[in-house]
Amino acid sequence: EIVMTQSPATLSVSPGERATLSCRASQSVSSNLAWYQQKPGQAPRLLIYGASTRATGIPARFSGSGSGTEFTLTISSLQSEDFAVYYCQQWGTFGQGTKVEIK
Amino acid sequence: QVQLVESGGGVVQPGRSLRLSCAASGFTFSSYGMHWVRQAPGKGLEWVAVIWYDGSNKYYADSVKGRFTISRDNSKNTLYLQMNSLRAEDTAVYYCARGAVFGDYAYWYFDLWGRGTLVTVSS
Repeated sequence: EIVMTQSPATLSVSPGERATLSCRASQSVSSNLAWYQQKPGQAPRLLIYGASTRATGIPARFSGSGSGTEFTLTISSLQSEDFAVYYCQQWGTFGQGTKVEIK
Repeated sequence: QVQLVESGGGVVQPGRSLRLSCAASGFTFSSYGMHWVRQAPGKGLEWVAVIWYDGSNKYYADSVKGRFTISRDNSKNTLYLQMNSLRAEDTAVYYCARGAVFGDYAYWYFDLWGRGTLVTVSS
């Protein structure tokens, strides 16, 4: 079973700053990786699939990169609505999440 | 309107059963694989089960295998999750989610989610 490990668990960032979230797979998953955003009391929302393709309607400030075992989600300039928990996912496995909070 | 709406959650005693439903609308339900994903209170996301677009294949997380059954009725645009022998650790919000399709290929990316239904297993 592939294990997905996200870091850091919590990221404190000021609005307008750049946020970089990491996801590591215990073995290669090629580019079969997605990122989701979840706000309190809401369902998750697909942000990125195929490691680097933005889903429909996702702003350009969100970008994904990586392949194999190392992946990164970058939010270029954090907006107030971006403070949330972010999950990576590969097939039936999710990472444990990274909470992006206001610094 | 493209949406998924779950129902059927509630409080149930350990060892009992519950059936969840997910009503789909606004898209061709029979063309998509469908998933159940759950989230225990204050915890992360856990994939539960998937069913192929035509019901031909079903897969389960080890934590629910043998106790949960996923099914669908394409004539009613509805997904189901039959949960038997429920345990306290099954307490969670259960989301149904659509598997993305790009071109001719289906992927395990979840591009449409319902709002979830809460299942509480407690005596």
